[in-house]
Amino acid sequence: GDSVTQMEGPVTLSEEAFLTINCTYTATGYPSLFWYVQYPGEGLQLLLKATKADDKGSNKGFEATYRKETTSFHLEKGSVQVSDSAVYFCALSANSFGGMRFGAGTRLTVKP
Amino acid sequence: EAQVTQNPRYLITVTGKKLTVTCSQNMNHEYMSWYRQDPGLGLRQIYYSMNVEVTDKGDVPEGYKVSRKEKRNFPLILESPSPNQTSLYFCASRSGLNTDTQYFGPGTRLTVL
Repeated sequence: GDSVTQMEGPVTLSEEAFLTINCTYTATGYPSLFWYVQYPGEGLQLLLKATKADDKGSNKGFEATYRKETTSFHLEKGSVQVSDSAVYFCALSANSFGGMRFGAGTRLTVKP
Repeated sequence: EAQVTQNPRYLITVTGKKLTVTCSQNMNHEYMSWYRQDPGLGLRQIYYSMNVEVTDKGDVPEGYKVSRKEKRNFPLILESPSPNQTSLYFCASRSGLNTDTQYFGPGTRLTVL
């Protein structure tokens, strides 16, 4: 069935470092892909999304490109801040089932 | 303000005592779902509903029930909770298309003793 695999971490970076969190997926058909972020004690918030191949989602300096050929949707940011410390989830949504499938989450800690 | 609300936010109960977690959305969304979040497993879908009176099982439905009598409400029912249902629960909603953003509630932390 459809599934998402993401780099589990935890990931610890210094402020202004480059961030990559890997995400790959398995799906039949053409899923939509999402990155959600969860700050401590809160629910999930959409960070960015892409709904078709070669689309690039971007928000708050984060980017991810929907790569159908490598079935990937890696999250990147050029210069992380302490305020980016959170758990990041990659997810997919497809017509073949009624919800979203999530990766296990990657905890990011950014140190000053 | 567009939002998904859940109650209670925290609940400690004992094995076998029936409980209900409420969920409500004010965005007129057709689609609603429940997830549980466990360390190392991410979020797993329990049940979802495509519209009023239409519900279906997700990936981990055992031990849970849901109902969708009104468009805005989607309660999660644990008829006989067990310790393995201790988890963080999220309700979510979106409009009909799978390309649309899913909006999440703040979460309910449930502990079953």
